[in-house]
Order: sequence, then structure tokens, then C-alpha cells
Amino acid sequence: ETGVTQTPRHLVMGMTNKKSLKCEQHLGHNAMYWYKQSAKKPLELMFVYNFKEQTENNSVPSRFSPECPNSSHLFLHLHTLQPEDSALYLCASSQETSGDQETQYFGPGTRLLVL
Amino acid sequence: TQLLEQSPQFLSIQEGENLTVYCNSSSVFSSLQWYRQEPGEGPVLLVTVVTGGEVKKLKRLTFQFGDARKDSSLHITAAQPGDTGLYLCAGVGSNYQLIWGAGTKLIIKP
Repeated sequence: ETGVTQTPRHLVMGMTNKKSLKCEQHLGHNAMYWYKQSAKKPLELMFVYNFKEQTENNSVPSRFSPECPNSSHLFLHLHTLQPEDSALYLCASSQETSGDQETQYFGPGTRLLVL
Repeated sequence: TQLLEQSPQFLSIQEGENLTVYCNSSSVFSSLQWYRQEPGEGPVLLVTVVTGGEVKKLKRLTFQFGDARKDSSLHITAAQPGDTGLYLCAGVGSNYQLIWGAGTKLIIKP
């Protein structure tokens, strides 16, 4: 496979469930990102990892827990979510996190519905 | 706080018409990117503009960066159904994080 892949593509979960989202990039990049995309709102950056180290956590609630075991894989662990957490969760990667012409490559996203 | 406002939020036009999408801010960006997102997919980069006043063309799409690097526009000539999608602008802010607009949903009717 090439590019950035995400699984699952769709997920329905109850508020008491625990689930995980997976992202894998095949581009040899060093940086990976989690974004939340809600309708009619700007993309919200959640977490940034650079060389497996978390460099940004934009005030994300603790019910979202990221994990980056290596530069190619990124997980988002979900626990006791709320209905307002329903959204499209996008993973992206880039060569580095710095540079004003850095391109981010996105996966297709996981559409999450919390009941 | 750096913000980017996109307009219009939604646009539905007939094939063959021209359109312009705007991205405005009160902040200066070192560069600005335009992405297109199709249903069921993630955003894909179309272009990055870096220099104030810069104009870049991608077939029927023309991108312009404002002289003061606070705003940008995307003009599509003779729109086609394949241009349908969500167009997102993103400015490169301090610490190189992307500041995103809310997007313009574009529908081109055959």
C-alpha cells in the first residue's frame, strides 16, 4: 500500500466503549498528526508526533489517548466518549513538522458516531 | 489567535461558469496552502503560495496570495463536475502549525 491508511473507516460506539483508531503511513515521514473534522468547522489539530515524540497536545480531553510506537504508526485510543465527539478523524503525515512549505498527506479518515 | 475565514461557505453553480473562493485573515502567514477534499477522502494539497502577490495556475484553477500575505483567493474558470468538492485553505502560522479555514463546499451541476 502507498500513502496514508486508516482503519476502521467507520465506527459506531457507545459512550462506555473503548475503541482504537489506527493510522499507518508508507511515505517514510517523520511527523504524524491527528485532526478532528466536524461539519462547517475548521480542522482541529489534536496531536502531533515528531520522531515518535509527542510535540503538541492542543487541550484535548483525556478520553482521547494517542500512541505512536514508531514513525509509521499512530493510534488514537478512545474511552468514554461523548456524542459531541462524533466527527471525522483524520490522520496525516509530513516529512518534518517545521518549514513553511511542508506538505501534509492525509488518510481517508475514520467516521466516528458516538451514541 | 490566528484565524482564517473562508467564503462563501457553500456554492452551487452550473458547469461552465466561473467562480472565486476567498480566504481572509487579519494575520500574516509565511505561506498558504489550498486543499481539496472529496467525499470519503482526506484533503489533498493543490498548491502552496509563498510570496506576497504570487499567482499560481493549475489548469483551470488560479491561486493568488495577497500582497500582505493575509489573504488568498482561488478562481476556477469554466467549472466542471469534477471540480466538485470541499476546498480548504490553510495558513502556515507560528511554530509551523496549519491554521485552517472552515472550507467552501462546491457543487458543479452538469
